[in-house]
Amino acid sequence: DIRMTQTPSSLSASVGDRVTITCRASQSISRYLNWYQQKLGKAPKLLISAASSMRSGVPSRFSGSGSGTEFTLTISSLQPEDFATYYCQQSFSTPLTFGGGTKVEIK
Amino acid sequence: QVQVVESGGGVVQPGRSLRLSCAASGFTFNIHAMHWVRQAPGKGLEWVAVISYVGSKTDYADSVKGRFTISRDNSKSTLYLQMNSLRAEDTAVYYCARDEYDQEGSYRLILDPWGQGTLVTVSS
Repeated sequence: DIRMTQTPSSLSASVGDRVTITCRASQSISRYLNWYQQKLGKAPKLLISAASSMRSGVPSRFSGSGSGTEFTLTISSLQPEDFATYYCQQSFSTPLTFGGGTKVEIK
Repeated sequence: QVQVVESGGGVVQPGRSLRLSCAASGFTFNIHAMHWVRQAPGKGLEWVAVISYVGSKTDYADSVKGRFTISRDNSKSTLYLQMNSLRAEDTAVYYCARDEYDQEGSYRLILDPWGQGTLVTVSS
């Protein structure tokens, strides 16, 4: 199975800050990497697929990059509605696996 | 609008069975693979199972293999998860999610949208 490791597991940031979350795969997954946002008590929402392809309706302050084994999710200017937990997920092969999550909290 | 809605969760004793349902609407159900993903209280996301658009191919996480069965009824636009021999560690919110359309009928493993989830609690 492909292991996905996210860092950090949590972070505190202020509105307007630039935030970067890293996701590493235990083997090369090309660009088969997706990012999800989950707010408290809600279902996950797909933000980015194929490492950097923004989904419809996702604000442009979100961006993704990377390939192979290292990927990043960047929020260029954190907004109040962005406080949530973010998960990476590899879509290279089954079993589909997720990172452990990064909780973005208000400083 | 495109949506999936889970039902069937509840409290069940260890060793017993439960069947979850997921009703799909707003899209052509029979061209999409479908998934179940779960989330234990306060924990991260764990993929459970996937079924192909026709229902002929399935795949499972090792943690549920041999105990859970994913199935679908395309005439009813409904996905199911039959859970047998339930254990305390199966306690979680169970989400249904649509896989992105693949022209060749394979899995894309890109989940969108997700339902609101249904809580399964395994406890005596």
